[in-house]
Amino acid sequence: DARVTQTPRHKVTEMGQEVTMRCQPILGHNTVFWYRQTMMQGLELLAYFRNRAPLDDSGMPKDRFSAEMPDATLATLKIQPSEPRDSAVYFCASGLGQGKRNEQFFGPGTRLTVL
Amino acid sequence: DAKTTQPNSMESNEEEPVHLPCNHSTISGTDYIHWYRQLPSQGPEYVIHGLTSNVNNRMASLAIAEDRKSSTLILHRATLRDAAVYYCILREYMNYGGSQGNLIFGKGTKLSVKP
Repeated sequence: DARVTQTPRHKVTEMGQEVTMRCQPILGHNTVFWYRQTMMQGLELLAYFRNRAPLDDSGMPKDRFSAEMPDATLATLKIQPSEPRDSAVYFCASGLGQGKRNEQFFGPGTRLTVL
Repeated sequence: DAKTTQPNSMESNEEEPVHLPCNHSTISGTDYIHWYRQLPSQGPEYVIHGLTSNVNNRMASLAIAEDRKSSTLILHRATLRDAAVYYCILREYMNYGGSQGNLIFGKGTKLSVKP
């Protein structure tokens, strides 16, 4: 049963600390997405990659957020320095990036709390 | 992407059918209608999608109005496990590359199911 995995599932940190969230997409998927969900803003797309290349990161605050795909099995989202307003659930999703269905498969999320 | 309008919340009784409406009056000819749902403490998951004709799958049915300005997701027999937020999303199908636009989530409809 192929699934997107994310680590850690929960993270509590203090303001100013660096946070790294990891995602393992489903094997064979060539498109990876990072979303953020808060009560106020709902689900927002932060960035996405196709074939490990960043295609769009316009939803991401550039000064403190960075997203990378070191290899096809790992995507990372880093926040440095973290701020309380970054507290949210961060979801990673992967897909094949083609076809009329073009389904995105979401991971369980990383719940981040910045104190 | 064109916008969708959904009721904030709906209630249903267990084992009864549920009709979740979605208005998309500015839908374009190349927009597909997708539905995702998000169970509590989980990432969103794909439910169904369609273009013009009604669609059925093991999870639900999608009824699309003839003018395509609205659609209805139908759960034939709601279970407690169907309690979730349901998102109606329009995605533009891009012939070049054979893919669709990214998922843009609105607020969705929070479905409660009473035993």
